Amino acid sequence: DQQVKQNSPSLSVQEGRISILNCDYTNSMFDYFLWYKKYPAEGPTFLISISSIKDKNEDGRFTVFLNKSAKHLSLHIVPSQPGDSAVYFCAASGGDDKIIFGKGTRLHILP
Amino acid sequence: NAGVTQTPKFQVLKTGQSMTLQCAQDMNHNSMYWYRQDPGMGLRLIYYSASEGTTDKGEVPNGYNVSRLNKREFSLRLESAAPSQTSVYFCASSEYRMGGLGEQYFGPGTRLTVT
Repeated sequence: DQQVKQNSPSLSVQEGRISILNCDYTNSMFDYFLWYKKYPAEGPTFLISISSIKDKNEDGRFTVFLNKSAKHLSLHIVPSQPGDSAVYFCAASGGDDKIIFGKGTRLHILP
Repeated sequence: NAGVTQTPKFQVLKTGQSMTLQCAQDMNHNSMYWYRQDPGMGLRLIYYSASEGTTDKGEVPNGYNVSRLNKREFSLRLESAAPSQTSVYFCASSEYRMGGLGEQYFGPGTRLTVT
């Protein structure tokens, strides 16, 4: 049973516009959420995280929103740039040492 | 700082052969992980180690064994490789911080093909 779901396998966005990537989770014990970015032939790299005590965290062009009641989080990228084209993984942990990942969303930034 | 290093980068095995994937980190992290990435499946946790001397199963542990040799090193062993283990394997490490488990730092991956 998938505990972290990214239901959009891919997303295309015009350069300069906002990219919104979505993630849903089922485990109510999750209390820490992370987003990672992955380029081909490289390991994932950390982007931004959010604790369950917050509903928003911002870092430059990246903002993560958390809606605990809906068990939903989203990553906003504004403005989108060509270098943002990558696979984005949502991940969650819940008080133990495990981090569970979603299947990823491939973001294409169009010129 | 090299971060997280993995060896080898590429490997081809025949069915039934064994091999060990090596991982080392120089960030003094307590937690280390092994993931596999398959097309359309994202990153799935194989095993993890919360601290030196402890290991726990993840989502897909069957067919694998691990050893946390010391704080720096965490190896993954395939005793009898199967074609279903063809994948890209990533090692990662992390540390606790305020608010929860900190971000993981990943190695560059090992691309394994089992024929």
